[in-house]
Amino acid sequence: DAGITQSPRHKVTETGTPVTLRCHQTENHRYMYWYRQDPGHGLRLIHYSYGVKDTDKGEVSDGYSVSRSKTEDFLLTLESATSSQTSVYFCAISDRNTEAFFGQGTRLTVV
Amino acid sequence: GDSVTQMEGPVTLSEEAFLTINCTYTATGYPSLFWYVQYPGEGLQLLLKATKADDKGSNKGFEATYRKETTSFHLEKGSVQVSDSAVYFCALSDRDNAGKSTFGDGTTLTVKP
Repeated sequence: DAGITQSPRHKVTETGTPVTLRCHQTENHRYMYWYRQDPGHGLRLIHYSYGVKDTDKGEVSDGYSVSRSKTEDFLLTLESATSSQTSVYFCAISDRNTEAFFGQGTRLTVV
Repeated sequence: GDSVTQMEGPVTLSEEAFLTINCTYTATGYPSLFWYVQYPGEGLQLLLKATKADDKGSNKGFEATYRKETTSFHLEKGSVQVSDSAVYFCALSDRDNAGKSTFGDGTTLTVKP
């Protein structure tokens, strides 16, 4: 299995609070991604990174920010959580034109 | 932009039936193509891949052939098992698009004994 770890695996938080999800890799892959998975929507890309301090928006980036200060870590922050951000979040890593390796997912509930 | 369209589900089959899940794509460059599988409560994992036209990816009895002329990558298996019940995602990775992967919406397969 590719070395990719998400934390926490489960979180319940209140509306309006900030939340940070962490993705850690030991594979030294260049690209890192954050997706959310919701019934009826498949996987939707939130943000991605193509190098340290190099990030870009995906299709559903509103309300989310990311940071990548080291190759191995990619953080996703919900600045002020809303109920619409209740979802399962997946981190993935890849190198150029290779398959993606996924973490186990974080189930986030905003109440 | 890049896009992937796959057959809507859910798909329900009896054990030992033949499976086809259709997938077509649009890409600006020359992509690699993938099928991923997701079992309940888990992340996606690679099932098979093909990196150039006419390549056939295969794994665990599943096959898919990269058809550039029809921009398709249909997933097939000759005889499904109950253990194949999962969600299947078609995806592409375009070397001209920062290596990003684009996924289809997923097809849920249920195999009944």
